[in-house]
Amino acid sequence: GDSVTQMEGPVTLSEEAFLTINCTYTATGYPSLFWYVQYPGEGLQLLLKATKADDKGSNKGFEATYRKETTSFHLEKGSVQVSDSAVYFCALSDRTGGSYIPTFGRGTSLIVHP
Amino acid sequence: NAGVTQTPKFQVLKTGQSMTLQCAQDMNHEYMSWYRQDPGMGLRLIHYSVGAGITDQGEVPNGYNVSRSTTEDFPLRLLSAAPSQTSVYFCASSATSDTQYFGPGTRLTVL
Repeated sequence: GDSVTQMEGPVTLSEEAFLTINCTYTATGYPSLFWYVQYPGEGLQLLLKATKADDKGSNKGFEATYRKETTSFHLEKGSVQVSDSAVYFCALSDRTGGSYIPTFGRGTSLIVHP
Repeated sequence: NAGVTQTPKFQVLKTGQSMTLQCAQDMNHEYMSWYRQDPGMGLRLIHYSVGAGITDQGEVPNGYNVSRSTTEDFPLRLLSAAPSQTSVYFCASSATSDTQYFGPGTRLTVL
């Protein structure tokens, strides 16, 4: 079945540091890939997505590139802010097998210190 | 356009009590899901629906019931609450299996 593996946290950084959160996946078909962000006390919200190989999703300074050859979708940001402190979830959606339900990773907590 | 709404935001139950968590969406989405979120466990799917009148079990369905009589509403019923059901519950909807829209969550404590 489909699965998503992302690095365990927490990831602790100082403000303006470079961020990478690794995400790899397994899927039987050609999935769409997503990063969701969950701020404290809130529900998840879409951060960015990519629907086919070599696509780059970007939003709020975050980027991730769909790498089919390495089955990866790593999240990056060049300069993090304290306001980026949140939990980040990598996810895939693959309708090839007729499944309507996305697969989520376990989430990576990011803590940014001033 | 309110998106996905959930009520209540917080709830405390005693073991054995029953209750219904409400979820509604105003985006005319076909697909709706319930998840629970526990520390270190990520999101676990409880039940989902692909349209009015159609529901199916997810990863952790025991102790929960759902029904989908309208496109807008997807309530989750706890039949007899247990301490193991203490969690944060999220409802989500989507137009396809693509982008999920999440509600703000219900924080449930079972004593």
